[in-house]
Amino acid sequence: AQSVTQLGSHVSVSEGALVLLRCNYSSSVPPYLFWYVQYPNQGLQLLLKYTTGATLVKGINGFEAEFKKSETSFHLTKPSAHMSDAAEYFCALVTNTGFQKLVFGTGTRLLVSP
Amino acid sequence: GAVVSQHPSWVICKSGTSVKIECRSLDFQATTMFWYRQFPKQSLMLMATSNEGSKATYEQGVEKDKFLINHASLTLSTLTVTSAHPEDSSFYICSARDRGVFTDTQYFGPGTRLTVL
Repeated sequence: AQSVTQLGSHVSVSEGALVLLRCNYSSSVPPYLFWYVQYPNQGLQLLLKYTTGATLVKGINGFEAEFKKSETSFHLTKPSAHMSDAAEYFCALVTNTGFQKLVFGTGTRLLVSP
Repeated sequence: GAVVSQHPSWVICKSGTSVKIECRSLDFQATTMFWYRQFPKQSLMLMATSNEGSKATYEQGVEKDKFLINHASLTLSTLTVTSAHPEDSSFYICSARDRGVFTDTQYFGPGTRLTVL
């Protein structure tokens, strides 16, 4: 069965520092991978997605992620954290491209200090 | 990006009553919508897949008679929590699948917080 693992329930960085949120997946077929962000009491907003093609994917708000098949990873990065980046981040995997049932990781809360 | 709305954004009801939550895709047609439940500080749990014009497909362990889903049009799906109890209190989030020639992405609504007294 497909699954997504996010290492670290909380990640703390200083404003201006590099952001790295880790995501590893398990899938028996080539996956589609997504990163979503959730602000308090709000729904999820799509940051970026990988389907096929270029393994380095750029998203909104300066975030990017790299699909590494050999490492079964899809880590999310941003060169310089901003206070407004503080939120919950979810990595997700599509289990069946026919019906696009997303499987989510447990989420990582990003804390940004001044 | 595509916009999905939910109504209401929050609702408080008495135990035993029913509550209906609407999910609308505002600028695209969605033949498939999904309903999720999220407990505090936890991830999203898929409850059911809603397909326009057909019965919803429920995930294992989700009571279909308690969580009624109707997908009557290409832009609207509704979730009705019947005979609500305090344990049904949660954050309910819907998503709509935008499947076009060049895209296939789920867009999420802002969520509905249900509190059952």
